[in-house]
Amino acid sequence: AQTVTQSQPEMSVQEAETVTLSCTYDTSESDYYLFWYKQPPSRQMILVIRQEAYKQQNATENRFSVNFQKAAKSFSLKISDSQLGDAAMYFCAYWKGGGADGLTFGKGTHLIIQP
Amino acid sequence: DAGVTQSPTHLIKTRGQHVTLRCSPISGHKSVSWYQQVLGQGPQFIFQYYEKEERGRGNFPDRFSARQFPNYSSELNVNALLLGDSALYLCASSLDSLNYGYTFGSGTRLTVV
Repeated sequence: AQTVTQSQPEMSVQEAETVTLSCTYDTSESDYYLFWYKQPPSRQMILVIRQEAYKQQNATENRFSVNFQKAAKSFSLKISDSQLGDAAMYFCAYWKGGGADGLTFGKGTHLIIQP
Repeated sequence: DAGVTQSPTHLIKTRGQHVTLRCSPISGHKSVSWYQQVLGQGPQFIFQYYEKEERGRGNFPDRFSARQFPNYSSELNVNALLLGDSALYLCASSLDSLNYGYTFGSGTRLTVV
């Protein structure tokens, strides 16, 4: 079974600084998808960024980028120019594809933004 | 456009009771998935429905069941509630059976006492 591990229960960063959230996963698949979701106090899970394993290029969405290391099974999220609105729980998730399986989530990292 | 709508937002039930949670997907989305998020954990996959058929099931007991209606809305039913069923139940919809286009609702907070 696939597992997703987020080793940082909580991270704190100064506003406008850069922070990196870590995620490792375990799978025997060669093709799969990885995601970072944000969950603010409103509880709704919001997709931040998505990476297809067959793509070597790291995904980027504005201030958010990933460092995808397939051989190391590592998928970290970098947030540049941190803003107060970035404060939330961040979850790393894995999907092996195929439609019948759901996402496998990590336990999450609580990101605090210091003004 | 309305997002994924879940009802109720909160409810409290007693052990042994039955509960029904409801989800309306984004207009045009034909797939609905359900997740359970226990406090302090990431969401855990329960079911996926596509075109009114069950397409995927996570590792949950038979007390959990779901269905999808012709208008693509969905219900999650839990029988014989246990204290451990207390959680946030999230619904997600997508255009088809592919999961990478998920949009989540804000969830139903279930407390079992």
